[in-house]
Amino acid sequence: DQQVKQNSPSLSVQEGRISILNCDYTNSMFDYFLWYKKYPAEGPTFLISISSIKDKNEDGRFTVFLNKSAKHLSLHIVPSQPGDSAVYFCAASAGTASKLTFGTGTRLQVTL
Amino acid sequence: SAVISQKPSRDICQRGTSLTIQCQVDSQVTMMFWYRQQPGQSLTLIATANQGSEATYESGFVIDKFPISRPNLTFSTLTVSNMSPEDSSIYLCSAVTGDTGELFFGEGSRLTVL
Repeated sequence: DQQVKQNSPSLSVQEGRISILNCDYTNSMFDYFLWYKKYPAEGPTFLISISSIKDKNEDGRFTVFLNKSAKHLSLHIVPSQPGDSAVYFCAASAGTASKLTFGTGTRLQVTL
Repeated sequence: SAVISQKPSRDICQRGTSLTIQCQVDSQVTMMFWYRQQPGQSLTLIATANQGSEATYESGFVIDKFPISRPNLTFSTLTVSNMSPEDSSIYLCSAVTGDTGELFFGEGSRLTVL
């Protein structure tokens, strides 16, 4: 049972445009959500998080939106840069100190 | 933040052998975990490494197959025992610092079992 789903395995976006990565979850106990970026041959690195008490969190070019009623979150990257090309994992937990459940990842390719 | 070092970074192993992966964190952390990422799949939690006591394993993972040690707050090992080709995967050590919930990862250990 995949509790965190990233239905798009890949996404291609032109440099300078907006990248939107989507994530859906099924467990209503999840109240903390994170995005991780992973380059080949490296471990995932933390990008941005959001608590369920918020519906938006912004950090520079990265914004995460949370729609609790739809159990959906999205990561917006604007403007997209070639260095953003990586695999992006959505993750969720019930509480900030709880174990994370990851999605299967979306491979983002930012083209020139 | 935390810097997490794993070794080996990669290895090719023979069926039936065992391999131990070491994980060192540069600061004391509250929780340490071991994840596995099989080809084309998401990161799957194997177990929580508990300091000074037995690890807490997730469903589908057992101590006999994946013995874990955590003798102190900054070091842990994961052993993949009696390996088969199905164990070919990237194994990732991770840690949580403080109470922000941010999970930091090592660079991973890529195991190929022939």
